[in-house]
Amino acid sequence: GNSVTQMEGPVTLSEEAFLTINCTYTATGYPSLFWYVQYPGEGLQLLLKATKADDKGSNKGFEATYRKETTSFHLEKGSVQVSDSAVYFCALSGATGGFKTIFGAGTRLFVKA
Amino acid sequence: EPEVTQTPSHQVTQMGQEVILRCVPISNHLYFYWYRQILGQKVEFLVSFYNNEISEKSEIFDDQFSVERPDGSNFTLKIRSTKLEDSAMYFCASSELGQGPYEQYFGPGTRLTVT
Repeated sequence: GNSVTQMEGPVTLSEEAFLTINCTYTATGYPSLFWYVQYPGEGLQLLLKATKADDKGSNKGFEATYRKETTSFHLEKGSVQVSDSAVYFCALSGATGGFKTIFGAGTRLFVKA
Repeated sequence: EPEVTQTPSHQVTQMGQEVILRCVPISNHLYFYWYRQILGQKVEFLVSFYNNEISEKSEIFDDQFSVERPDGSNFTLKIRSTKLEDSAMYFCASSELGQGPYEQYFGPGTRLTVT
């Protein structure tokens, strides 16, 4: 079936460090891929998306490239800030079999000043 | 910018009671969804709804759950007899048929606590 696997957390970084959160997926058809962010006590916010192979999604300094050959959608940011501390969810939707969004388990990021 | 809204933000109920969680999707959207997130766990799909009927549901969505679009704006999730394990954050989402590839807009969530 369709699924998303992302690296376990928590990830702890110092401010201005480079961030990578790995995400791989299994899907039939041609899904769209997403990263959502959840700040403490809040709901889900769409961070970025990519709709087809080799697309790069970007927002607020975060980037992720849809890699069909490796079925990956890794999240990166060149210089993290304390305010980036949150839980990050990789997700897919539009795979064969319906419109629902399938989420990874989430990766908690702590950024220290 | 249009957004999905949910009420209440926090609901506390006793085991065995019925609860109704309410959502107002974005006005021109045609697909509606409910998801839940048990504390510290992943977000799980419950049900999708289109054209006044359920289009897909997960194993979690058993006979205790029902959804309804009672008027042109609200979309509700009812849990008939709540259990302790129903305690979770419930997210409503909506999407516009044909807009971008299947992007869903999520509401802020309702935290349900069953005691």
